Amino acid sequence: DSGVTQTPKHLITATGQRVTLRCSPRSGDLSVYWYQQSLDQGLQFLIQYYNGEERAKGNILERFSAQQFPDLHSELNLSSLELGDSALYFCASSVGGTGNGYTFGSGTRLTVV
Amino acid sequence: AQKITQTQPGMFVQEKEAVTLDCTYDTSDQSYGLFWYKQPSSGEMIFLIYQGSYDEQNATEGRYSLNFQKARKSANLVISASQLGDSAMYFCAMTALSNDYKLSFGAGTTVTVRA
Repeated sequence: DSGVTQTPKHLITATGQRVTLRCSPRSGDLSVYWYQQSLDQGLQFLIQYYNGEERAKGNILERFSAQQFPDLHSELNLSSLELGDSALYFCASSVGGTGNGYTFGSGTRLTVV
Repeated sequence: AQKITQTQPGMFVQEKEAVTLDCTYDTSDQSYGLFWYKQPSSGEMIFLIYQGSYDEQNATEGRYSLNFQKARKSANLVISASQLGDSAMYFCAMTALSNDYKLSFGAGTTVTVRA
């Protein structure tokens, strides 16, 4: 167990729907990062939060949004889902914003049908 | 911007032998970090080893060692005494200040260990 908890592990939903992916970081970690892994794009950084504030943004679609709550857990919201959004979504956490000590969760596998 | 290149899409290795996975990187930052992750078929990302750009010694973690050649901008992973459980996808990644320390990943190398 890495200490980073992602739920759900699997999600199957229809096009046009909205889903929420949840991440609880490792105890003591203030930074949360979201990554998308798809067959055609590889591993892509989506967004980072540090202690509740958005810190960096990557290739995140406008249909996607995220937030980090006071208890430091984070949610990634995906709306108006398309077939191409099917992917493995990872959350990672680290103590600070410097990247060392990244720990990944086990991922949420999203299938859009 | 950072770029990570892994030129070996797939490799086969005999059990108990060593295997070297290639990784080259490109960055203009002086301070950066290099990582290797293992992703088995179950999907989770498992941290293997870390090398800081100012670390003078090559990093080692058990059977994993990182051959860091700064001038060549390479960070190859060596897995010694391969085991069947080492069969997985391996990703090289880096972080740097100019990239807000977010991970940039290579395309990955699939390793298959043969008995």
